[in-house]
Formats: sequence, structure tokens, C-alpha cells
Amino acid sequence: QVQLQESGPGLVKSSETLSLTCTVSGDSISSYYWTWIRQPPGKGLEWIGYFHYSGNSIYNPSLKSRVTISTDTSKNHVFLKLSSVTAADTAVYFCARASYDNSPFDYWGQGILVTVSS
Amino acid sequence: QSALTQPASVSGSPGQSITISCTGTSSDVGDYNFVSWYQQLPGKAPKLMIYDVTRRPSWVSNRFSGSKSGNTASLTISGLQAEDEADYYCSSYTGSTTPYVFGTGTKVTVL
Repeated sequence: QVQLQESGPGLVKSSETLSLTCTVSGDSISSYYWTWIRQPPGKGLEWIGYFHYSGNSIYNPSLKSRVTISTDTSKNHVFLKLSSVTAADTAVYFCARASYDNSPFDYWGQGILVTVSS
Repeated sequence: QSALTQPASVSGSPGQSITISCTGTSSDVGDYNFVSWYQQLPGKAPKLMIYDVTRRPSWVSNRFSGSKSGNTASLTISGLQAEDEADYYCSSYTGSTTPYVFGTGTKVTVL
């Protein structure tokens, strides 16, 4: 059974870099599109971007200048880095898996709340 | 890429059927049969309920069904149950620089 688990600091200071790790168990992270999605408190879902093991990555244009998604296949980890954060980046961050670049997100992590403080 | 439009709330009594709409454009919902629906219980991660407009994952009850007409996709829940009370989000592939777009979300209340 595939399981995803996000981890990282729950509190980040404004202007600093948010760094999260998604640990995948039950399957290799090769051959999938690993995606980060966020949800501000009480609001809807926002697609952040994805990384494919082939090296292909695509990011939401609204975040593209600040976001990097990468992987460590030896540890089955998927990483998210978001720089120069502001209060608007306060959200629950989810990692999710898609089989292709147009397929749905069939497995999700439980999510992690990251609060940006001033 | 703008969010897909969903009604803020839909309600129904146990046993009834309800339908949630998801309106996009000819560049997303209208152009691709890659519409998905997710159920989100309070404090939980979204759960895939419908994909490719009409297909159901193995873990989803056949009370859930999807359809599409033009730029609008729909999720129908038949035989509404208390456990169906949740937020529901649609999503569409767009083929653009933002390949995925989500809907605004609909809160389903079981009366």
C-alpha cells in the first residue's frame, strides 16, 4: 500500500525559505509525477507543481520564481522549497502522486500546516 | 488559469440525490476528458472519487457518478448518506503552463 508522509517545520519566518519533505513508502518514486498542492486555512486547493523522475518539472506560474521540487530516489523522498515566504503562503501543504502528467492524484499525504510568522 | 466554478454549498436529505456542478472553459473542462472529483473530510486530505469524468476508483461506492456537458462537469451522489457530508473539489487538466486547475469547492450538507 502506497503511503505519503509530509514532514518539516510548522513555523517559518517571513522572507525565509519553506522546506518540506514527502516520504513515500510502498512504491518507488520512479515513474510517477510527484506533486505538491496547498490549501490556505478555510480556502480551496492550489496546485503548486510537480516533478517527474526523468527530471521534468513544471510549476504554477504564480509561484514559479520561488518554488523548487526535487527528489532523492535513494531515500524515496520528494522535496518542496518555497523561498521568500509571506503570510499568504500559510497553508496546509500536501504531497500527492499522479501516474501521468494528465492523470488524477490517486494518493495523498495527510498534509502539514505551515504557518508563516512575521 | 482561473479556478473552476462550483456552488458554495449543496444540501439534501438522506436517501436523496444531489448534483454538484463544476464550470470551466473551453481550455480546460471543455477541451479534455480529464476531470476529477475529490472528497475532503474535515481535517483530512482530499480523496479521489471520480477521474476521467466518469471513472470510479475501486475504493469508491457506485453511489458516486460523474458526467460532463460542454464546459461543465457534474458529480452526482445518489442515496445520500450522513458520511457523504464533506467538501468536494473538482479538478481539470488544462494542457497549459498550469496543467491542473481546481474548483472553488462545494460543501455538502446532509440534512
